[in-house]
Amino acid sequence: EVRLVESGGGLVKPGGSLRLSCAASEFTFSKAWMTWVRQAPGKGLEWVGRIRNEKDGGTTDYAAPVEGRFTISRDASKNMLYLHMNSLKAEDTAVYFCVHQMRSWFDPWGQGTLVTVSS
Amino acid sequence: QSALTQPPSASGSPGQSVTISCTGTSSDVGGYNYVSWYQQHPGKAPKLMIHEVNKRPSGVPDRFSGSKSGNTASLTVSGLQAEDEADYYCISQTGSNNFVFGTGTKVTVL
Repeated sequence: EVRLVESGGGLVKPGGSLRLSCAASEFTFSKAWMTWVRQAPGKGLEWVGRIRNEKDGGTTDYAAPVEGRFTISRDASKNMLYLHMNSLKAEDTAVYFCVHQMRSWFDPWGQGTLVTVSS
Repeated sequence: QSALTQPPSASGSPGQSVTISCTGTSSDVGGYNYVSWYQQHPGKAPKLMIHEVNKRPSGVPDRFSGSKSGNTASLTVSGLQAEDEADYYCISQTGSNNFVFGTGTKVTVL
């Protein structure tokens, strides 16, 4: 069974940085497109960005609110996905989900990791 | 990109049906057959229920079905059961090869 496990969340001050990790198992990670989705407390889901597999160029796309501040990367040798977050703002407070993208849908999702941006 | 519009809430008694709408534009819902639906119980990760408008993944009960007409997609849950009480979100691919999410609908089983 495909498994995704996020880690790295926590409390960070406004303007600070944080790196989230996602460990993938039981599927061919190198062939997968991977996505980050976030959910602010009590709010809906928000697409953050995604990274294509190496065959498709390994390129990334980001949502407007995080463009220029967040960077998605991957290490296929370790089956790891990362979300590097800089210049964090209070509105970035959310649970961040690591998600496997299948063509035009998302399955499965990790359990999520909470990021709190507060002074 | 504006979020897809879903009703904030929907409800039904056990055994009844409930239909949730997801309204977008010709640049997302109406332009592609790439709408998917997700169920999220409190404190849990979302779970895929429908993809590509009306395709049901293995393991999802056939009580769940999807459809689309114009710029509006719909998820119908037939024969409501207590465990169907959850939040439901639609997602559509957009013309810019990104994704737009729905606002979410809380389904209550009365």
